[in-house]
Amino acid sequence: EADIYQTPRYLVIGTGKKITLECSQTMGHDKMYWYQQDPGMELHLIHYSYGVNSTEKGDLSSESTVSRIRTEHFPLTLESARPSHTSQYLCASSDPGQGQETQYFGPGTRLLVL
Amino acid sequence: AQSVTQLGSHVSVSEGALVLLRCNYSSSVPPYLFWYVQYPNQGLQLLLKYTTGATLVKGINGFEAEFKKSETSFHLTKPSAHMSDAAEYFCAVSKAAGNKLTFGGGTRVLVKP
Repeated sequence: EADIYQTPRYLVIGTGKKITLECSQTMGHDKMYWYQQDPGMELHLIHYSYGVNSTEKGDLSSESTVSRIRTEHFPLTLESARPSHTSQYLCASSDPGQGQETQYFGPGTRLLVL
Repeated sequence: AQSVTQLGSHVSVSEGALVLLRCNYSSSVPPYLFWYVQYPNQGLQLLLKYTTGATLVKGINGFEAEFKKSETSFHLTKPSAHMSDAAEYFCAVSKAAGNKLTFGGGTRVLVKP
């Protein structure tokens, strides 16, 4: 079982608030990812990182930002939450050094912005 | 650019019946292919993957998938559905090891007693 954690699991917050979604993994993986998933829809990559101090934007444009100061942490921040940000956010990590890359996913954070 | 198409957003099967979930992909290079399962209120769990070698891949929980290059397909099957198989299933593709995943739209499986 993968050791990747996300907090909070559920968050209800008002418009305009700043929020940070936490993601941490204890597997020492260099690569980490954030996906956004609307209910019943596919996953869209919004951010990824190949290692410390590396961050890239994904395929879906997002107003969120990420940082990667430590290998194990990859937090996602929304400076001013809006109802359009309501979604599920899934974090994943992978280690191609194992020969066959597999992305391991966290349980997700369900965000509701009122 | 890569893309993944899953035919059927919802599939309903009877317990004990065959489960067949279809996945077609487009990729300009030999792909790596994955099937993930997502149970309610949980993250994604890897079912199986194809990278190289044998085209018939066996995964967890009795699932298997066959890579057919000529048909650009990677359909997922299970001979006999169980109630615990009710979940959403996602097919995904990447160009090579270390590359980003592109997901299909998902197929929600309902298992009837």
